[in-house]
Amino acid sequence: NAGVTQTPKFRVLKTGQSMTLLCAQDMNHEYMYWYRQDPGMGLRLIHYSVGEGTTAKGEVPDGYNVSRLKKQNFLLGLESAAPSQTSVYFCASSYSSRRNTEAFFGQGTRLTVV
Amino acid sequence: QQPVQSPQAVILREGEDAVINCSSSKALYSVHWYRQKHGEAPVFLMILLKGGEQKGHEKISASFNEKKQQSSLYLTASQLSYSGTYFCGTATGYGQNFVFGPGTRLSVLP
Repeated sequence: NAGVTQTPKFRVLKTGQSMTLLCAQDMNHEYMYWYRQDPGMGLRLIHYSVGEGTTAKGEVPDGYNVSRLKKQNFLLGLESAAPSQTSVYFCASSYSSRRNTEAFFGQGTRLTVV
Repeated sequence: QQPVQSPQAVILREGEDAVINCSSSKALYSVHWYRQKHGEAPVFLMILLKGGEQKGHEKISASFNEKKQQSSLYLTASQLSYSGTYFCGTATGYGQNFVFGPGTRLSVLP
C-alpha cells in the first residue's frame, strides 16, 4: 500500500520556468491538499480539493494553480517560478467529508528556484 | 490565523517528560497534532474535537481546553524516537481547514 506518492522528489528550476508536481493517493480519499514548508513557518496550505473536479484556495495560493481531474491525483503547477517559491512541498490526503480526520502526507518535493 | 506553539524548542534526556502547548486567539473546533522527523513527512498523532472526542495513538496523551482555546501534548518517559518537530493544527469550525503552528523542536538525548 503506497499511501501518498509525490513526484518528483527534488527539482531545480530557473526563474521563469514552469513545472508540475504530481500527487497520487491510493486510499480512495476525497480530500487532498498541497502545503509548502519553510523554516520557522510550519506548513502553509496552498490549495486543496474536496473531491474530483473541485479545487479551492488555501492560505498562500498566489503563483500556484492546481487540478484534480481524477480522484486519486492532485497536481500543483507553477507557471512562472520565482525564487520565493523555493520550499519543500507536501501533498496530503484525508478521508472524511467532515475534514476533521487524519491526514496522510507524501514524502515531499524539495524545489529550488535559482 | 496561525496558532502559537510553546516552547519553540526543548531538549530532554531519555525518560524525562515534556509538555508542548498550542494556543489560538479564536475559538477552536478541533486541534490536530503531527510529528515530523528531519527530512520526513509529518505523521499523525492525535485529533481533539470540541465536546471531548479524541482520536489518536494509544501512547500519546493530549488535552483540549475549549475555554482557554488551547491544547497541550504530553510526552512522558520520552524515548530517542520522540525526537522531531511537533506541529499543532487548529480549525475554528466544522468543515474548516486546519492551520498549522510554527512547530516545536524536541530533541531527546541518551
